[in-house]
Amino acid sequence: RKEVEQDPGPFNVPEGATVAFNCTYSNSASQSFFWYRQDCRKEPKLLMSVYSSGNEDGRFTAQLNRASQYISLLIRDSKLSDSATYLCVVNMAGTASKLTFGTGTRLQVTL
Amino acid sequence: DTEVTQTPKHLVMGMTNKKSLKCEQHMGHRAMYWYKQKAKKPPELMFVYSYEKLSINESVPSRFSPECPNSSLLNLHLHALQPEDSALYLCASSQTSEQFFGPGTRLTVL
Repeated sequence: RKEVEQDPGPFNVPEGATVAFNCTYSNSASQSFFWYRQDCRKEPKLLMSVYSSGNEDGRFTAQLNRASQYISLLIRDSKLSDSATYLCVVNMAGTASKLTFGTGTRLQVTL
Repeated sequence: DTEVTQTPKHLVMGMTNKKSLKCEQHMGHRAMYWYKQKAKKPPELMFVYSYEKLSINESVPSRFSPECPNSSLLNLHLHALQPEDSALYLCASSQTSEQFFGPGTRLTVL
């Protein structure tokens, strides 16, 4: 089983739609969780850290379910500019400097 | 300044060449990283420097040699690379577990 698993997609959605991505992780002692966004041929950019209480930033909402070991990202009112690959990233317990990346979920928002 | 900068943006080198990639951050972050990323794959960690000391080497071949001259700078020296080493090389820095990436150097080995 992969340490961090994501559906690779692609998710093709129309502008204005709501789309949700899930990610599961294998190590129950994992401590920190993130969503990064990566555009084609660009670097990953931190989108959100994910907290146990859930957090929201504008159109983006992230949730963490420790009991089920999954993380979600909800994007409301999708924009064309949201088209990118979304990477689920976990800081495994006992590995303070190491991040483990999922393979990413590709989102394509269309007119 | 919240940027991590990398030079060069693109690099083409032969298998006998010696070249260096450079990374700089001025955020006072304690840790700096080198990653390798192939197309349609997530970044793979290569090296971690913490407080200017090498703390993690992910069994990277010796043809890749990292160097941290000071807390703001990180170099990756390349020698006798193979065509399969062609990839995007990303530098990142962090103060806590959140890492911030530079734009990368796209390396092609001929």
